[in-house]
Amino acid sequence: DAGITQSPRHKVTETGTPVTLRCHQTENHRYMYWYRQDPGHGLRLIHYSYGVKDTDKGEVSDGYSVSRSKTEDFLLTLESATSSQTSVYFCAISDLSGGTDTQYFGPGTRLTVL
Amino acid sequence: AQSVAQPEDQVNVAEGNPLTVKCTYSVSGNPYLFWYVQYPNRGLQFLLKYITGDNLVKGSYGFEAEFNKSQTSFHLKKPSALVSDSALYFCAVRDIYNNNDMRFGAGTRLTVKP
Repeated sequence: DAGITQSPRHKVTETGTPVTLRCHQTENHRYMYWYRQDPGHGLRLIHYSYGVKDTDKGEVSDGYSVSRSKTEDFLLTLESATSSQTSVYFCAISDLSGGTDTQYFGPGTRLTVL
Repeated sequence: AQSVAQPEDQVNVAEGNPLTVKCTYSVSGNPYLFWYVQYPNRGLQFLLKYITGDNLVKGSYGFEAEFNKSQTSFHLKKPSALVSDSALYFCAVRDIYNNNDMRFGAGTRLTVKP
């Protein structure tokens, strides 16, 4: 999985609790992304980062925040988890901007919000 | 916005037969198209991409994809399917007009039967 780890791999939490997911890369790539995967929707972009402390919103950013204090780490936080945020979350990295670069994905985190 | 569609939720083929997984796209300008595969409990793995040039793109594990501009299609193909090819396949397009976001199709589950 291209030098990308995600933690935790599985988490069960209750509605209203904060949750932080971590993505760690050893490739020194500049760009990092958080996606969620839901049946019938493929993957949808939540947030992405184009450098340390540089982040922007994706297609489904409501209810999520991110931080990147080091090149290798990209954190996704659900401030107050809801059942609609039950999903599988994937981190991805890429080295270049533009339309031609390839994104490489981590193994995923399965989050269940009860 | 750029988008892709995968018209088949499920494709079944017999081992040794050729396989095709369909993808159509809707873009403004030149399309940057990708195929990924997802095995159970794993992240997405990059198979191949079309940026420009030859309409037939060769990728990993014997897969290839044919870009057809007149039909706005980018179908994934393999001449002889293996049982181990059974997985979830995603087509994606780079949205160069929206921060280069990657837009994914809903996915096609390929089952290869012995």
